[in-house]
Amino acid sequence: AQSVTQPDIHITVSEGASLELRCNYSYGATPYLFWYVQSPGQGLQLLLKYFSGDTLVQGIKGFEAEFKRSQSSFNLRKPSVHWSDAAEYFCAVGPYGGSQGNLIFGKGTKLSVKP
Amino acid sequence: EAGVAQSPRYKIIEKRQSVAFWCNPISGHATLYWYQQILGQGPKLLIQFQNNGVVDDSQLPKDRFSAERLKGVDSTLKIQPAKLEDSAVYLCASSFGTGGYEQYFGPGTRLTVT
Repeated sequence: AQSVTQPDIHITVSEGASLELRCNYSYGATPYLFWYVQSPGQGLQLLLKYFSGDTLVQGIKGFEAEFKRSQSSFNLRKPSVHWSDAAEYFCAVGPYGGSQGNLIFGKGTKLSVKP
Repeated sequence: EAGVAQSPRYKIIEKRQSVAFWCNPISGHATLYWYQQILGQGPKLLIQFQNNGVVDDSQLPKDRFSAERLKGVDSTLKIQPAKLEDSAVYLCASSFGTGGYEQYFGPGTRLTVT
């Protein structure tokens, strides 16, 4: 079955500290992988996506993610967290090609930032 | 470029009542999605349209939910009658195409069923 697992429900980091949010997926075919961020009362904003090629992907707001096929993981990282990064982060997987484009989302990781 | 518009932003209804949500996608986007996001969970696809045709509605509770996308632009999602478990945020998203095109999300409609 297709699924996305984000093992950490809530993470708290200090401002300026590094961040890594974990994501593991189960997918029967070659997937597209995405990280979205959702601020309270807002829709989802795409941070970055991986289709193929270089397994280290750069996104907006200083985020990056690394695709590791052998571990079925797509972890999100940021070297130095800012208070404005406090939000909920969702990992998602989607089909490679075809007519269906729906995304399967993880349950999300809520990030709190300490001053 | 204007983003995905949704209305209303908030709605409170009693169980067994009906409700409708409206979505206007980004101009030129052929694909439109409705997702349901229950508190504490990630969004779950309810229905996907390609132009005005349905591509995937396998997770839409068809006994109470319906959706349409007339003329391949705007879309409405309706619930009739609503149940307590329908309390959620309903997100509309659109994309230029399928197969990996970025999905752009609207701000969502928060539905509370009492």
